Amino acid sequence: GDSVTQMEGPVTLSEEAFLTINCTYTATGYPSLFWYVQYPGEGLQLLLKATKADDKGSNKGFEATYRKETTSFHLEKGSVQVSDSAVYFCALTSGGGADGLTFGKGTHLIIQP
Amino acid sequence: SQTIHQWPATLVQPVGSPLSLECTVEGTSNPNLYWYRQAAGRGLQLLFYSVGIGQISSEVPQNLSASRPQDRQFILSSKKLLLSDSGFYLCAWSVRAAPLVEQYFGPGTRLTVT
Repeated sequence: GDSVTQMEGPVTLSEEAFLTINCTYTATGYPSLFWYVQYPGEGLQLLLKATKADDKGSNKGFEATYRKETTSFHLEKGSVQVSDSAVYFCALTSGGGADGLTFGKGTHLIIQP
Repeated sequence: SQTIHQWPATLVQPVGSPLSLECTVEGTSNPNLYWYRQAAGRGLQLLFYSVGIGQISSEVPQNLSASRPQDRQFILSSKKLLLSDSGFYLCAWSVRAAPLVEQYFGPGTRLTVT
């Protein structure tokens, strides 16, 4: 079956540091890939997505590139802020529209001022 | 624009009591609807999904059930709660017609079974 693997953390960085959160996947067919962010006590918000190989998703300074050859979708940001502190989930869907998302376990990111 | 509501936001229930969590979506028609559970320190687990009124698919056998009495309403229920049912329950929707699309999540319900 499908699976997503990501570093769990917590990952602690100083403000303005460079961020990379690794995500690799196993899936049948050609999945769509997503990054979601969850702030404390809230639901998940879609951060960015990519639907085919070599696509780059970007939003709010975050980027991730769909790498089919390495089955990866690493999340990056050049300069993090304290407000980026949250849990980040990598996810995929490879089904025919009705299937749920397959999530990684989430990476807890803590940004210190 | 589309919005998704869940209630209650927080719930504390004793073991053996019934459960009813409700989710409604506004601003769209014929959505796919989903229930996920997020246990403490773990990722999200898909519990149920629905492609239409009265159509429910279960991903994980358990003492929970789901119903979709109206197009934009999705209900999660249990007749007798277990301690292991504690967690954060998230409802989500997606566009039905398009494959491989993103899902949009509600604010969640924090359930504590005591």
